[in-house]
Amino acid sequence: EEQLVESGGGLVQPGGSLRLSCAASGFTLSGYSMNWVRQAPGKGLEWVSYITTSSSTIYYANSVKGRFTISRDNAKNSVYLQMNSLSAEDTAVYFCARDNRLMLDVWGEGTTVTVSS
Amino acid sequence: QMTQSPSSLSASVGDRVTITCRSSQIIATYLNWYQQKPGKAPRLLIYSASSLHTGVPSRFSGSGSGTDFTLTISSLQPEDFATYYCQQSYSTSLTFGGGTKVDI
Repeated sequence: EEQLVESGGGLVQPGGSLRLSCAASGFTLSGYSMNWVRQAPGKGLEWVSYITTSSSTIYYANSVKGRFTISRDNAKNSVYLQMNSLSAEDTAVYFCARDNRLMLDVWGEGTTVTVSS
Repeated sequence: QMTQSPSSLSASVGDRVTITCRSSQIIATYLNWYQQKPGKAPRLLIYSASSLHTGVPSRFSGSGSGTDFTLTISSLQPEDFATYYCQQSYSTSLTFGGGTKVDI
């Protein structure tokens, strides 16, 4: 079964940092571009970042540009999201999602990030 | 920008339900639909505006091109009560609609 599992979420103070991980199983991550998508409590889905298979192309939402960094380690079948300078507006469930020819066809169950003092 | 309507609707089992999604720019058929249940990850239903994803029941269908799109559920089932999102993949910054909550 093709699966994604996120980890690394938690409670962090404003201005702090967290690193999220997304581990793939049941398929070879190196064959796919990947995305991070977040969902604030009670709100809709917001795309956060995108990375191609070789990390040659990376995009960010304006809301996180300069603060978040996406990366991947194909040997470890994993994708990461380094989040710095966190604020309350970053509180959300963070999902990683596989990009299969412009559709997000496999999603993890998400990891919760809470930014609060 | 993607605008969905309605933002919520109430329906009964067996009803035909239609959700619309409008893009602020022409996106051809670069439009996907997802279903999300509370506490769960989104699930891909329709890709490229009208193609049914693997394993999705045939009561779901999508149509449209350019700026206007629809998701139709031909006969609503109990397991279909959820929130539905459209998403454009035309531009490098993916954007989602605000969602349509379908409840009883």
